[in-house]
Amino acid sequence: GNSVTQMEGPVTLSEEAFLTINCTYTATGYPSLFWYVQYPGEGLQLLLKATKADDKGSNKGFEATYRKETTSFHLEKGSVQVSDSAVYFCALPSGYSTLTFGKGTMLLVSP
Amino acid sequence: DTAVSQTPKYLVTQMGNDKSIKCEQNLGHDTMYWYKQDSKKFLKIMFSYNNKELIINETVPNRFSPKSPDKAHLNLHINSLELGDSAVYFCASSPKQGATTEAFFGQGTRLTVV
Repeated sequence: GNSVTQMEGPVTLSEEAFLTINCTYTATGYPSLFWYVQYPGEGLQLLLKATKADDKGSNKGFEATYRKETTSFHLEKGSVQVSDSAVYFCALPSGYSTLTFGKGTMLLVSP
Repeated sequence: DTAVSQTPKYLVTQMGNDKSIKCEQNLGHDTMYWYKQDSKKFLKIMFSYNNKELIINETVPNRFSPKSPDKAHLNLHINSLELGDSAVYFCASSPKQGATTEAFFGQGTRLTVV
């Protein structure tokens, strides 16, 4: 079945640093790819998505490009803020519209 | 208006008790889910319903029984609670099946079994 592997955290950065969170996937065909974010004490919310190869998803300064050649969907942000501190999940569909999630990467941004 | 709402937000109970978590979505979606998030933040699908019909039932103990009275509601009943059931349970919904599906999550129910 489809699966995702993402880098383990926590990732600790200072404000305004560059962020990369790696995500690679294994899938049949070319499913959509997603990044979800979970802020402390909250549910998951969709951060961005890409529906086909070479698509770039973007939102709130975050970007991720669907790379078919390297089966990757790395999340990047040029300048993180304290308010970006959260857990980030890479995900893809699996089966009957179920989402399979990576293990999550905690991001801690200090002032 | 909250899109996917679940109640209660916190639930503390003793081992052996029976408890329910309710979920409602006002998005008009056909598909609803229950996910379990453990203490390491790992998310695992438990159940998936499409138009009130059970689609997915992962390897979940039969002490867990989902019920969908209509396509806007998916409740989770847990019998004979055990310490290992302590986790955050998330309800979610999605508009349709298919490779572009995204899910909308509730705020979660933190269940603590003592």
